[in-house]
Amino acid sequence: SQQGEEDPQALSIQEGENATMNCSYKTSINNLQWYRQNSGRGLVHLILIRSNEREKHSGRLRVTLDTSKKSSSLLITASRAADTASYFCATAVNQAGTALIFGKGTTLSVSS
Amino acid sequence: DVKVTQSSRYLVKRTGEKVFLECVQDMDHENMFWYRQDPGLGLRLIYFSYDVKMKEKGDIPEGYSVSREKKERFSLILESASTNQTSMYLCASSLLYGYTFGSGTRLTVV
Repeated sequence: SQQGEEDPQALSIQEGENATMNCSYKTSINNLQWYRQNSGRGLVHLILIRSNEREKHSGRLRVTLDTSKKSSSLLITASRAADTASYFCATAVNQAGTALIFGKGTTLSVSS
Repeated sequence: DVKVTQSSRYLVKRTGEKVFLECVQDMDHENMFWYRQDPGLGLRLIYFSYDVKMKEKGDIPEGYSVSREKKERFSLILESASTNQTSMYLCASSLLYGYTFGSGTRLTVV
């Protein structure tokens, strides 16, 4: 089954800097989603971008999608210590676009 | 806000036991999912369900079964627990896109 793969696996930055995480996937998608997970907890949905969209914003988050390269990026601007978490991209494996396969995640550490 | 509640935060079971992990959601979502999360492997889909009494296998269904007798409840069953099923188990629900996850059950099989 298709799977998103995040890059880098780990990222350490200072507060105020921007953080960029990338995701590559293997086959055609209906949509791509990004999630965040604080240590030892469930995942929280951040943003969804449909296959016919190229860019989407939500607060300090910016997601881009390049279907020709089968890749997406998540940019977090002006990072805060509270952004420290793991970030996952997810792509749908069924026609309805509802059953998600997750990548292995990028662990972001933001130090103050 | 939609809530997805997993009945146990931590669970310790013995090898060979039959284990039930319960998940309940309170927003009438059609879709429910079970994942396991292991270091270095990310989240892997075990089973999912689109409706009551409906189930579909995910990537790693072996050793697991599920039950969805009511729309709000989706149970994961480990028929005979083994040590390689020690993991974090995450339940999620969705109406269409965008999952809501529970807090997870950390299961240890000894």
